[in-house]
Amino acid sequence: DTGVSQNPRHKITKRGQNVTFRCDPISEHNRLYWYRQTLGQGPEFLTYFQNEAQLEKSRLLSDRFSAERPKGSFSTLEIQRTEQGDSAMYLCASSLPDRGYEQYFGPGTRLTVT
Amino acid sequence: GNSVTQMEGPVTLSEEAFLTINCTYTATGYPSLFWYVQYPGEGLQLLLKATKADDKGSNKGFEATYRKETTSFHLEKGSVQVSDSAVYFCALASKTSYDKVIFGPGTSLSVIP
Repeated sequence: DTGVSQNPRHKITKRGQNVTFRCDPISEHNRLYWYRQTLGQGPEFLTYFQNEAQLEKSRLLSDRFSAERPKGSFSTLEIQRTEQGDSAMYLCASSLPDRGYEQYFGPGTRLTVT
Repeated sequence: GNSVTQMEGPVTLSEEAFLTINCTYTATGYPSLFWYVQYPGEGLQLLLKATKADDKGSNKGFEATYRKETTSFHLEKGSVQVSDSAVYFCALASKTSYDKVIFGPGTSLSVIP
């Protein structure tokens, strides 16, 4: 299967700990997006990469959040000093440059902060 | 800013009933419109899309028409099945915003035999 993959699928952490998630996009896709989905809500945009460049960040992405895509392939999303309000599903999506509207989503990483 | 509004759920229908889930949007320019579906325990899947006014997106018996004059993109299916039970998200993406997808809150559909 060559779809978008995310690891881990589930993460339980204690408040105050740091966590890092990984996203591997579809290989020929140079655009990569991160979204966050809380229970009963639609996903909300967090940040966007074109190749290795981070082009936009939502104001939802506080200073505790950082995302990287160092070689323009996989991406990581780190949350420092986690809070209970960070508990959510973190979704990654990728697309071709000329078809940015057609995004393919990964299965998500479900974060639970206790 | 860009936004999507869709009818609140949950919606419960009997098998073979007609489905309509209303969706309206606010956007600058000419966005692309989508319906995504999330089956229980699974990730988001693109169900159908329309990229310009009067386009009709269709897939798996579902249809939606891009209506610029009413800024709407209502989802319809003539005869729902139990396997259609899922959460449906209306969404838009705009080239003025790097194509990031703006989602509605989702409508939960339950189809009972």
